[in-house]
Amino acid sequence: AQKVTQAQTEISVVEKEDVTLDCVYETRDTTYYLFWYKQPPSGELVFLIRRNSFDEQNEISGRYSWNFQKSTSSFNFTITASQVVDSAVYFCALSGGGGADGLTFGKGTHLIIQP
Amino acid sequence: DAGITQSPRHKVTETGTPVTLRCHQTENHRYMYWYRQDPGHGLRLIHYSYGVKDTDKGEVSDGYSVSRSKTEDFLLTLESATSSQTSVYFCAISRTQGAGSRQYFGPGTRLTVT
Repeated sequence: AQKVTQAQTEISVVEKEDVTLDCVYETRDTTYYLFWYKQPPSGELVFLIRRNSFDEQNEISGRYSWNFQKSTSSFNFTITASQVVDSAVYFCALSGGGGADGLTFGKGTHLIIQP
Repeated sequence: DAGITQSPRHKVTETGTPVTLRCHQTENHRYMYWYRQDPGHGLRLIHYSYGVKDTDKGEVSDGYSVSRSKTEDFLLTLESATSSQTSVYFCAISRTQGAGSRQYFGPGTRLTVT
């Protein structure tokens, strides 16, 4: 069975601070995919990144960066110089190698950026 | 915008009544999914479909059924709603058929069972 753990239920930081959201996963698949989604207060789910199990390169997109480490089964997400607009619930998710696989989500981390 | 609509967007119903939620896509994609979101649980997969009349169960399928008679519509039915089914329901699609495809989510339906 697959499992995603986001141990941080809520994080509160002051604007311009850097913040890291943790994600630890469990799977028996050798091929799998990891995702991050953002859910702002408006409620929609916004895709941020997809990473496959064979690509351990870190990714940077503007103020966002992701650190994938297979050795520790982690896929952590860092926001640099946080802004109030980053306030949202962030979900880490996992899917296996099957074509129709649904996503297994973590419980989410509620990030609050205070001005 | 992935061309996904959900209806209704909000619904209040009484325990024991049947409820059908509709997910409609405009892009003719094969894979569709239903999730529910509850505080403290994230999103959990209810059912999914990999084609017309081809559906399968997800993690939390008890109390739910689905149907897909047309590519564009994926219906989720609560045969006899219970208070534990109060939740926000999200539909999703995959635009590609490969493993690990990104899923695009609809706007969600907030269902309250009283």
